[in-house]
Amino acid sequence: KQEVTQIPAALSVPEGENLVLNCSFTDSAIYNLQWFRQDPGKGLTSLLLIQSSQREQTSGRLNASLDKSSGRSTLYIAASQPGDSATYLCAVTDSWGKLQFGAGTQVVVTP
Amino acid sequence: DAGITQSPRHKVTETGTPVTLRCHQTENHRYMYWYRQDPGHGLRLIHYSYGVKDTDKGEVSDGYSVSRSKTEDFLLTLESATSSQTSVYFCAISLFWGEQYFGPGTRLTVT
Repeated sequence: KQEVTQIPAALSVPEGENLVLNCSFTDSAIYNLQWFRQDPGKGLTSLLLIQSSQREQTSGRLNASLDKSSGRSTLYIAASQPGDSATYLCAVTDSWGKLQFGAGTQVVVTP
Repeated sequence: DAGITQSPRHKVTETGTPVTLRCHQTENHRYMYWYRQDPGHGLRLIHYSYGVKDTDKGEVSDGYSVSRSKTEDFLLTLESATSSQTSVYFCAISLFWGEQYFGPGTRLTVT
């Protein structure tokens, strides 16, 4: 069974620092990997989708890398802002088309 | 934002009563999903649909049934609600095994 792990579970950084969020998965037979953001009491917002054939994907201040052979993805958020405070979740689509989620990393960016 | 609505947004019900949650989309996406989110367990797939009248079980399907009679609607039914089904329920849609878009969630409390 696919296991998705996110470390650390929580992270606090001062405004302006770069954020580095890690996601690891046990089965490299994935279709794609998706990063989400969730604000308290809200639904999930899709940030980036990386296909299994891609190494990275970028959107504005966000950059996500994927190393399928080692079962790892990293989300980089440049020049963090207080508005980046949220929980970030990664999820992999397995070979049956189903998403398996990590538990998330709770991020606090202090002014 | 993807055109996904969930109703009701909040519900309190008693143990043993039937409950139906509705997910409605305006995107004409083929795939629809129901997840539940619980502290300590993260997001888990309950059921999903890959077309009208085509559904399959997810990781935590016991006690739940689904129906999809139209492309735009996916219903989740708790036949006899139990306290263990107190949770936040999210609907999601996708075109294929691609990027998933989530609804705002339904907070269900079973007393």
